[in-house]
Amino acid sequence: DAGVTQSPTHLIKTRGQQVTLRCSPKSGHDTVSWYQQALGQGPQFIFQYYEEEERQRGNFPDRFSGHQFPNYSSELNVNALLLGDSALYLCASSNTNSPLHFGNGTRLTVT
Amino acid sequence: GQQLNQSPQSMFIQEGEDVSMNCTSSSIFNTWLWYKQDPGEGPVLLIALYKAGELTSNGRLTAQFGITRKDSFLNISASIPSDVGIYFCAGQLANFNKFYFGSGTKLNVKP
Repeated sequence: DAGVTQSPTHLIKTRGQQVTLRCSPKSGHDTVSWYQQALGQGPQFIFQYYEEEERQRGNFPDRFSGHQFPNYSSELNVNALLLGDSALYLCASSNTNSPLHFGNGTRLTVT
Repeated sequence: GQQLNQSPQSMFIQEGEDVSMNCTSSSIFNTWLWYKQDPGEGPVLLIALYKAGELTSNGRLTAQFGITRKDSFLNISASIPSDVGIYFCAGQLANFNKFYFGSGTKLNVKP
């Protein structure tokens, strides 16, 4: 049973560029949440998707957007990248009977 | 936003010793989760707690949901070298879908 899978594992982008990160949830999970983890800190909630809609959003600017597909997979898009966007981006899936299960993340470096 | 105060920030212990760490908040949570994160990987769920006063074990790990619902504790008994890593608590407010994470407790175990 595959867990949460994320791609790519690492990414290097330049300031001002745009990036798309992808996530496939754990089998049986229908909800996907995205978190940003800066070095040495705990994960910070970006947003959550359920039934292809953004259900809740954290304190992140509109440059951060997402999408959920009918197969429950999800994308995180970040526009106009800033140096401060460099972080580990974690995807977590869940359902009503199961708490958050995380993938191994995408390490984004903005230069 | 909400803050979870996790302590201690780091611990250096001898193999075989017991470990205790905790998270506190000024808000009342209805779910507490505990995770372990190894370098280069995503957080792995250790224990989930859903009711005030609940005490749950997972092998050598035991966690409790505080009676006030504002805190939670994680204990590790008879530590071994593979317990090394960063431990995070996460709390969920009632009627909110997102989890707030503590800043982590870095555990070092000397063989």
